Amino acid sequence: AQSVAQPEDQVNVAEGNPLTVKCTYSVSGNPYLFWYVQYPNRGLQFLLKYITGDNLVKGSYGFEAEFNKSQTSFHLKKPSALVSDSALYFCAVLTDSWGKLQFGAGTQVVVTP
Amino acid sequence: DSGVTQTPKHLITATGQRVTLRCSPRSGDLSVYWYQQSLDQGLQFLIQYYNGEERAKGNILERFSAQQFPDLHSELNLSSLELGDSALYFCASSVVSGRDTQYFGPGTRLTVL
Repeated sequence: AQSVAQPEDQVNVAEGNPLTVKCTYSVSGNPYLFWYVQYPNRGLQFLLKYITGDNLVKGSYGFEAEFNKSQTSFHLKKPSALVSDSALYFCAVLTDSWGKLQFGAGTQVVVTP
Repeated sequence: DSGVTQTPKHLITATGQRVTLRCSPRSGDLSVYWYQQSLDQGLQFLIQYYNGEERAKGNILERFSAQQFPDLHSELNLSSLELGDSALYFCASSVVSGRDTQYFGPGTRLTVL
């Protein structure tokens, strides 16, 4: 079965420091991976996706993610975190051709001034 | 703003009742997805419709049903409500399906008392 895991419930980082949110996946075949962010009382906002091609994917709001096939990882990164990046981040994997997404449990990011 | 609209934003009802949640996809999107977000189970895929036809089903209870109308809006019907059905219900839409990005609406918060 296709699945993703987010090993950290919460990540704390100081403003201006690099931010990394971890995601590992387990799939049969080629993985299609997504990152979404959820702000309080809001819906999920799409950040980026990996379908095929370059292992480094650039997305919205200065975020990027690195696909690593040997480590089955798809970590989300931002070189310099902002207080406004504080939110809940979800990694997801496509589990069928019709678009069923399997989400990770989410990682709460807290950026302190 | 993702372009996906959901009504109502909040819904408070009693156990045993029936409610209908409504979703309008982004202009041009043919696929609609429903997800449930709860503290217990995280984000769970419920069901997907493409151009009026059911295409994928997740862990959707038999008490729940959905449909997509000719104008492509979708409704999720929840009946015989239980306390455990209290959750955030999200609708998402995409152009077709599969590797297309899903854009999420703001959600409907259902509280069952």
